[in-house]
Amino acid sequence: GAVVSQHPSWVICKSGTSVKIECRSLDFQATTMFWYRQFPKQSLMLMATSNEGSKATYEQGVEKDKFLINHASLTLSTLTVTSAHPEDSSFYICSARDPWPFYGYTFGSGTRLTVV
Amino acid sequence: QQPVQSPQAVILREGEDAVINCSSSKALYSVHWYRQKHGEAPVFLMILLKGGEQKGHDKISASFNEKKQQSSLYLTASQLSYSGTYFCGTELHYSGGGADGLTFGKGTHLIIQP
Repeated sequence: GAVVSQHPSWVICKSGTSVKIECRSLDFQATTMFWYRQFPKQSLMLMATSNEGSKATYEQGVEKDKFLINHASLTLSTLTVTSAHPEDSSFYICSARDPWPFYGYTFGSGTRLTVV
Repeated sequence: QQPVQSPQAVILREGEDAVINCSSSKALYSVHWYRQKHGEAPVFLMILLKGGEQKGHDKISASFNEKKQQSSLYLTASQLSYSGTYFCGTELHYSGGGADGLTFGKGTHLIIQP
């Protein structure tokens, strides 16, 4: 089946610094990838849709200048959390739609971000 | 709009059955079910498409009532490994390029006791 690799699996950073998270589709091309955020004991919330070769689209309430998304190739999307603060600490998960003829979404393993 | 899941939590003995429900106020193209264990990413279980097509695992079944926009996930003869949080994710329409993502319910916590 489709495999989505996410790196790093966890990161601890100081407040005010930036962190980059990578999401790769290993055995298929993904023109669109999705970034979710999950706070403890809560559901996954879609943050943004990453489109290869064009600007990402952000969900309402998500700061586009804080969460920079780059989808430079058909297999790689990156999420950069800029000027991170403790309230940005969360579990970030990327996803891509499975290639035809499947219809599901495959998720990366997630990145646990802790801002201290 | 976020789908509504019920129940919020279930505690079962090993071998018992469980049903988890997911409903939406909007017309759905598909319903996706995932199981998530603590600290891990969600794992795909089942997808139900408008029109009746289903894809999923052998020991888990589900239904999708298009008239009511409701889906149910059936876990039979539960095993200890079934413990976790179950999420339904909904898709309003399929744009071909997969440009919508999923809207998830709040989840159902399932605890299986020996």
